[in-house]
Amino acid sequence: DAGVTQTPRHEVAEKGQTIILKCEPVSGHNDLFWYRQTKIQGLELLSYFRSKSLMEDGGAFKDRFKAEMLNSSFSTLKIQPTEPKDSAVYLCASSPRLGGPSAETLYFGSGTRLTVL
Amino acid sequence: QEKVQQSPESLIVPEGAMVSLNCSFSDSASQSIWWYQQHPGKGPKALISIFSNGNKKEGRLTVYLNRASLHVSLHIKDSQPSDSAVYLCAVSPFNTGNYKYVFGAGTRLKVIA
Repeated sequence: DAGVTQTPRHEVAEKGQTIILKCEPVSGHNDLFWYRQTKIQGLELLSYFRSKSLMEDGGAFKDRFKAEMLNSSFSTLKIQPTEPKDSAVYLCASSPRLGGPSAETLYFGSGTRLTVL
Repeated sequence: QEKVQQSPESLIVPEGAMVSLNCSFSDSASQSIWWYQQHPGKGPKALISIFSNGNKKEGRLTVYLNRASLHVSLHIKDSQPSDSAVYLCAVSPFNTGNYKYVFGAGTRLKVIA
C-alpha cells in the first residue's frame, strides 16, 4: 500500500512569495493533518480535516496559512505571503478513523523542507 | 492545554543496552499515549500506544503508563544502531470528536555499535 506522499520534498522561496505544498493521504483514510516541525517548537498542528471537512484551522496560523482538501485523496497547504520564520519542515499525516473512542495511529509523509530567504 | 515533557533530551548508549525514555503529561484524562520514531529526513512512524494503566509489550518495546503520576515510559530492550532516531511522545486529549494530539519535543537516541 502507498503511504502518505508529499511534494515537493524541498522548496526554496523568496520572502513574500506564495507557495503551495501538496499531500496525498493513504487511500481510504478519513482524517488528514498538517503539521509544522521546527527544532524550537517541535510539532505544531496547522490544520485538521475529517472526511474533507475542516475541523481545526490552527489558530495562530490562520492569517497566512490555508489548507484545503479538494477531494478525499488530495490536500494542499498554501502559505501566502511567506516569511523567513516559516522556514521549517511541513508534515502531512492521515489516519483511518475506524471508529471507537480511541485515538488512532497517524501515518506521516516524509515532509517538505521549506526555506524562505 | 495539554503539555507534554520528555526526558532526557538526548541519549547515547552502546549496542545491546536497555534504553529508557520518559514522558510526562499534564491531563490525567488524556485518552491515549503514543510513541513515534523519527529518522532523519523522514516523518514520524508510530511504534506503540497505551491507553490503560499498566504496561504493554510488543517485541523489544515495553511501555508503562501511570495515570496517577502522569507519566509514561518507553523501554527498548537490546538496542540496535538502527534504533538511532528521535523518539516522540504524543498524547491525545479525552475528546473523541477531535484527535488533537500534543507532541513532546522528543528524545534523540544514538546507539553506538
